Amino acid sequence: TQLLEQSPQFLSIQEGENLTVYCNSSSVFSSLQWYRQEPGEGPVLLVTVVTGGEVKKLKRLTFQFGDARKDSSLHITAAQPGDTGLYLCAERGSNYKLTFGKGTLLTVNP
Amino acid sequence: KAGVTQTPRYLIKTRGQQVTLSCSPISGHRSVSWYQQTPGQGLQFLFEYFSETQRNKGNFPGRFSGRQFSNSRSEMNVSTLELGDSALYLCASSLWQGRNEQYFGPGTRLTVT
Repeated sequence: TQLLEQSPQFLSIQEGENLTVYCNSSSVFSSLQWYRQEPGEGPVLLVTVVTGGEVKKLKRLTFQFGDARKDSSLHITAAQPGDTGLYLCAERGSNYKLTFGKGTLLTVNP
Repeated sequence: KAGVTQTPRYLIKTRGQQVTLSCSPISGHRSVSWYQQTPGQGLQFLFEYFSETQRNKGNFPGRFSGRQFSNSRSEMNVSTLELGDSALYLCASSLWQGRNEQYFGPGTRLTVT
């Protein structure tokens, strides 16, 4: 079973700051998904990256997939309090099972 | 279109009891997966059902079981509850087995005392 390591585990920043969170594995990802989970809710899919070197943008969020497909990053520009939540990366294995990292808990203070 | 619904949202049980949680997928979705989320272990896959058949199973003891009905609604059952079963149980539905887009419900918060 692939292990996904996310860093940092916790991140507290002020509104307007930029931040980057990471997801790494010792094995190659077949594809990688990023989710955001807000308190009291289930995770919501933000993006799926498949191709090494791929970059996807979702408003102020930029997702990168490493060339070797062993790592991914999520960069948020000018963070807002609404960005607060748990950011999870997940890989779907060949048997369709989703394996999640433990997440980065982001708090954006007004 | 209504999202994934889970009932109940909160539940308190005593060690040794059993519990049944319910999940109604998005209309038209045929696959339902269950996950356990705890602060220590994060989100862990329990099992997936498609067309009333369990297609995948995670590394959980046999006390955890589930089923899916012909209308795609799913239930999961935990017997002989232990303190360590306290967690948020999440259900996710997707159109078909293996489809990337999974939509999660809000979860059932189970507390075992």
